[in-house]
Amino acid sequence: DGGITQSPKYLFRKEGQNVTLSCEQNLNHDAMYWYRQDPGQGLRLIYYSQIVNDFQKGDIAEGYSVSREKKESFPLTVTSAQKNPTAFYLCASSIQGGMGSYEQYFGPGTRLTVT
Amino acid sequence: EDQVTQSPEALRLQEGESSSLNCSYTVSGLRGLFWYRQDPGKGPEFLFTLYSAGEEKEKERLKATLTKKESFLHITAPKPEDSATYLCAVEGAQKLVFGQGTRLTINP
Repeated sequence: DGGITQSPKYLFRKEGQNVTLSCEQNLNHDAMYWYRQDPGQGLRLIYYSQIVNDFQKGDIAEGYSVSREKKESFPLTVTSAQKNPTAFYLCASSIQGGMGSYEQYFGPGTRLTVT
Repeated sequence: EDQVTQSPEALRLQEGESSSLNCSYTVSGLRGLFWYRQDPGKGPEFLFTLYSAGEEKEKERLKATLTKKESFLHITAPKPEDSATYLCAVEGAQKLVFGQGTRLTINP
């Protein structure tokens, strides 16, 4: 079955540590996205990538970094510079990004707790 | 700036009691409006895409409609398994802007 996988489902870290969240898709989608979801707020875009080896900052990129070395993979690193890292992180993909409008499909999410 | 507002924040219905969820938006150049369903602790599940005013889409007990300023998600004769948070998102300048969602509870 095609889909998006995120691992791990739950992640616990101490303050000051960097942590990397995994996102893999086998839908052959060109575009991939990272969102953050906090209670009472809409999903907020962290980073997105429309093609391999290229990515752009979203609305809340500070304290995060990404890479896109393969079409299937778009890992997100939450650095120690992120002031409020505890949140639910969602990865998504779409057939294409940019011009036109294509629905995004989401992974199951990773809940990160930093203490 | 593109904005999406969903109302109500929460809605409780009895099984079989039909209702509508609202998504009001302001966007410069609407490319698409999307509805998603999200269960607790899970990622959003895609439901519908609407592209132009007057368009309607249906899936089982759900029907989405679109005007120039808002979209409605109508739920007919809902069942307890329809309980979830429903998210609306609009695409303007190459990114999606999400509303806060409507938390729907259907009591048996």
